[in-house]
Amino acid sequence: EVHLVESGGGLVKPGGSLTLSCTASGFDFSRYTIHWVRQAPGKGLEWVSYISGSTNSISYADSVKGRFTISRDNSKNSVSLAMDGLRVEDTAVYYCARSAFVVVVAAPFDFWGQGAVVTVSS
Amino acid sequence: DIQMTQSPSSLSASVGDRVTITCQASQDITKYLNWYQQKPGTAPKLLIFDASILETGVSSRFSGSGSGTYFTFTISSLQPDDIATYYCHQYDEVPYSFGQGTKLEIK
Repeated sequence: EVHLVESGGGLVKPGGSLTLSCTASGFDFSRYTIHWVRQAPGKGLEWVSYISGSTNSISYADSVKGRFTISRDNSKNSVSLAMDGLRVEDTAVYYCARSAFVVVVAAPFDFWGQGAVVTVSS
Repeated sequence: DIQMTQSPSSLSASVGDRVTITCQASQDITKYLNWYQQKPGTAPKLLIFDASILETGVSSRFSGSGSGTYFTFTISSLQPDDIATYYCHQYDEVPYSFGQGTKLEIK
């Protein structure tokens, strides 16, 4: 059974840093692209970043470009999202999600984690 | 960037009603449109992908149609368990984007 579990959320001051992790199980992790999607309190969904299975393709939303860094360790079935220069508007639940199709980057998001809460506040 | 305009933003309907939500893309996304259901406090769940393909295990009461820039999502007979917020999502090009959501309530 496919499982994605986020960890590393918490409270951080504006300008601070935090690293989220997404640990996966139940599938051939290295063959799938993983995305981060966030949801601010009471708001809709916003795609944040993706990393392909082989790590040769990475992309970011403009709102986080230059501040967030995505990486993965296929030996540990994990993806990380390092967040620097955090702003109040980065406050959200952060979900990791799997691209549905093997190898292909562009695909629906078929499995999601339960989410990690990030609060940026002084 | 592709903007996704979803309507209505909220909808109240009775059990058994046929419910339709629309999603319009700011440019042609061919068939690369998905629909998700999100219940409070939980992660989104994929219902429909590539505009009209029902995800495995999802009730056949849900359906999708459309191509290009205009898409619809339909619940054929609303059930109490369908109460949720529904989102469309384009993956034709980066940055991937979502509609603003439709909150569905029982009348």
